[in-house]
Amino acid sequence: QVQLVESGGGVVQPGRSLRLSCAASGFTFSSYAMHWVRQAPGKGLEWVTVISYDGSNQYYTDSVKGRFTISRDNSKNTLYLQMNSPRAEDTAVYYCAVQLATTAEFFQHWGQGTLVTVSS
Amino acid sequence: EIVMTHSPATLSVSPGERATLSCRASQSVSSNLAWYQQKPGQAPRLLVYDASTRATGIPARFSGSGSGTEFTLTISSLQSEDFAVYYCQQYSNWPLTFGGGTKVEIK
Repeated sequence: QVQLVESGGGVVQPGRSLRLSCAASGFTFSSYAMHWVRQAPGKGLEWVTVISYDGSNQYYTDSVKGRFTISRDNSKNTLYLQMNSPRAEDTAVYYCAVQLATTAEFFQHWGQGTLVTVSS
Repeated sequence: EIVMTHSPATLSVSPGERATLSCRASQSVSSNLAWYQQKPGQAPRLLVYDASTRATGIPARFSGSGSGTEFTLTISSLQSEDFAVYYCQQYSNWPLTFGGGTKVEIK
């Protein structure tokens, strides 16, 4: 069965860096686009970024452009989110999610999430 | 950016009753709409995609309808496990956007 396991969350100071990972199993990771979606405490869901199946294309929500970088290592079945210069408003649970439909960006499977707290 | 708006924000329903949740898009998203269910402390779960197609393993009491800017998720007879927050998401335009959610609570 599809399994997505995030790691790397924790407390990070504003302006420092943090890298999140998402280990995938149960499907052919290299064939599908992957996304990060976040949820601030007590708030709704916010899409953050997507990377194509081969890593050649990425899109970001405006609030993280230039600060966050999504990448993937298909040889390790792992997705990453490099968070540079995080801000207090980036505090959230970060979920990785897989898009199994080729041209429709909805999320069939989600990880359990990893909490990132940006605080000095 | 397409803004997704849920109504109502909270819906109080008795077990066994029907629940009707609405989601409106600020511009047409055609049928490029998904619904998710989220319980406290859990990740969201896909219920419906393409506005009306149930995802794998989703009970038949969940049904989605609508197109363009107006969408509805109906739960025909609420079970105890259905009390949760429900989100719609459009995938017609970038950035992908979610609504703020409807909380379905026990009346």
